[in-house]
Amino acid sequence: GAGVSQTPSNKVTEKGKYVELRCDPISGHTALYWYRQSLGQGPEFLIYFQGTGAADDSGLPNDRFFAVRPEGSVSTLKIQRTERGDSAVYLCASSPTPPGLDPKGYNEQFFGPGTRLTVL
Amino acid sequence: AQKVTQAQTEISVVEKEDVTLDCVYETRDTTYYLFWYKQPPSGELVFLIRRNSFDEQNEISGRYSWNFQKSTSSFNFTITASQVVDSAVYFCALIPNTGNQFYFGTGTSLTVIP
Repeated sequence: GAGVSQTPSNKVTEKGKYVELRCDPISGHTALYWYRQSLGQGPEFLIYFQGTGAADDSGLPNDRFFAVRPEGSVSTLKIQRTERGDSAVYLCASSPTPPGLDPKGYNEQFFGPGTRLTVL
Repeated sequence: AQKVTQAQTEISVVEKEDVTLDCVYETRDTTYYLFWYKQPPSGELVFLIRRNSFDEQNEISGRYSWNFQKSTSSFNFTITASQVVDSAVYFCALIPNTGNQFYFGTGTSLTVIP
């Protein structure tokens, strides 16, 4: 079946502009995660959705970052007044069950290909 | 606190050599899961293996093997008879049973030279 998809694959913008990054999770997956991966680093957690609500947004770096998942499926990560330091690959992942409730106990997350954001 | 350390930033080996990628983790949770992911140049994270904290059996899958030792908080990954296609960045990650997120190491970039 289809995996996690993310659009666009690449986004180049100018400092100060607003951007939206989209994630289509695997159908039926209730949990959705956003991570940010800077060059030479591992992915870092941004936010986690369970259904339509943000269950944990502790990883968002500041109030310029916001994410929504209005119908419990597709999610959009929104960045206002972009800065050069926002340049990174933004990864989305989805999981069939909420953390801790996976009957197999794996808490596995399935990752998308990412959106490479470049802020000039 | 949760932390994953991959001390090896870059490794180069000649094709057909064996190579071991190190992973050391820290967690106060008694139940947790460890993962290895491969990230080829295309960028997508490819799942390799998962391990739960109660299962310390080593695992072998083809040319890949994993050594999980709770006593040293390590989850090392060995590739036997390396191939050029193994060239990628490899990430070790930890997720507590009740946690919301993966904690990734900084990755080890492996280059296999033909």
